[in-house]
Amino acid sequence: NFMLTQPHSVSESPGKTVTLSCTASSGSIASNYVQWYQQRPGSAPTTVIYEDNQRPSGVPDRFSGSIDSSSNSASLTISGLKTEDEADYYCQSYDSNNEGVFGTGTKVTVL
Amino acid sequence: EVQLVQSGAEVKKPGESLTISCKGSGFSFTTYWITWVRQMPGKGLEWMGRIDPSDSYTHYSPSFQGHVTISVDKSISTAYLQWNSLKASDTAMYYCARRFGGSYLPWGQGTLVTVSS
Repeated sequence: NFMLTQPHSVSESPGKTVTLSCTASSGSIASNYVQWYQQRPGSAPTTVIYEDNQRPSGVPDRFSGSIDSSSNSASLTISGLKTEDEADYYCQSYDSNNEGVFGTGTKVTVL
Repeated sequence: EVQLVQSGAEVKKPGESLTISCKGSGFSFTTYWITWVRQMPGKGLEWMGRIDPSDSYTHYSPSFQGHVTISVDKSISTAYLQWNSLKASDTAMYYCARRFGGSYLPWGQGTLVTVSS
């Protein structure tokens, strides 16, 4: 089964930069697009990165996405951390059946 | 504005049936697949299945196949998620989302389903 593994949690101070990883269990991470979703407590997920590195309108350029084929992983980088960035973040891609697969999620705490 | 609006929270007993809805607006409903995602209390996101509103073709995750039914009424731009016999383990938040290119964008606001005797 295709799985996406994320670190359980990460903490950083306001103004700093944090990078979240998303590692694919099998196949190539580059075979399908990777998306990133932000979910604040009590709210629905929202898209912060789609198609590896694209930002929807309204998402600040503090959010950026990338793919690293050598480690078979995707990354979400949040620079200039703000308290409003405190949330759960999920990566997402697709398996060989074109079914969506979500990562295990990372809780970001802004100290 | 492109948006998906879901029906309100439900409280049901085990064995009861339920249908929740997801109404799209601001876009051509038959152009984009609609996906359903489950989030159990305190847990992560799980892909349940999706439907193509243009022809009602559905594809389910093996984890949900046979337990839920996804359908659509394209005349009113609405997708549905249905259970014939709820279990306590179906207690969760359920989200619909539009498949936009490689992404899910936007998401509905979620429908909380509580199943308890």
